Amino acid sequence: GAVVSQHPSWVICKSGTSVKIECRSLDFQATTMFWYRQFPKQSLMLMATSNEGSKATYEQGVEKDKFLINHASLTLSTLTVTSAHPEDSSFYICSARDGGKGGNIQYFGAGTRLSVL
Amino acid sequence: QKEVEQNSGPLSVPEGAIASLNCTYSDRGSQSFFWYRQYSGKSPELIMSIYSNGDKEDGRFTAQLNKASQYVSLLIRDSQPSDSATYLCAVRLTGGGNKLTFGTGTQLKVEL
Repeated sequence: GAVVSQHPSWVICKSGTSVKIECRSLDFQATTMFWYRQFPKQSLMLMATSNEGSKATYEQGVEKDKFLINHASLTLSTLTVTSAHPEDSSFYICSARDGGKGGNIQYFGAGTRLSVL
Repeated sequence: QKEVEQNSGPLSVPEGAIASLNCTYSDRGSQSFFWYRQYSGKSPELIMSIYSNGDKEDGRFTAQLNKASQYVSLLIRDSQPSDSATYLCAVRLTGGGNKLTFGTGTQLKVEL
């Protein structure tokens, strides 16, 4: 399957700071990437859809000013958690859609575990 | 009714048995269906995709799709302890663009 790289894999930060997470598709071009959040023992929650060269589409209830998404190229999307607070501590996972011969499938990055102190 | 429903489990099967995981969906027009496996603390990994009615086999895994009944299932033959994980059903719903709607997942435990 296709490879999606997500970095960093874990981060600990102080309350009030901002954290940037990168998601890269390594062997295919991803016009669309997705950002999910998952709390312990819960299912994936889609936060936003990131389209290359345009503004992200946020799901209902997700603060776009707090979770900044940039998709500047066909292989890179970033999620910035601004002014992070302890309640933002979670497992953040990106996925990239391979719309080519990959059959329009989403491949996931390894995830970023964020802990806000 | 949830858009994609799965029994949360846990589903326990003995090693070597067939594990059967089921998923129902509400949107009759859905065309794309996926099964992902997620180990505890890890991100989901794709197991199977299926688009047409019938069975699709890949090694020990078989996905079954019945659009008339609006269900998709995953069979795991010769279950191994390493198959113990949460299995997520995902559906690309009509009008949802390219995003996937996930079920809550079924936890599978394969016991020695």
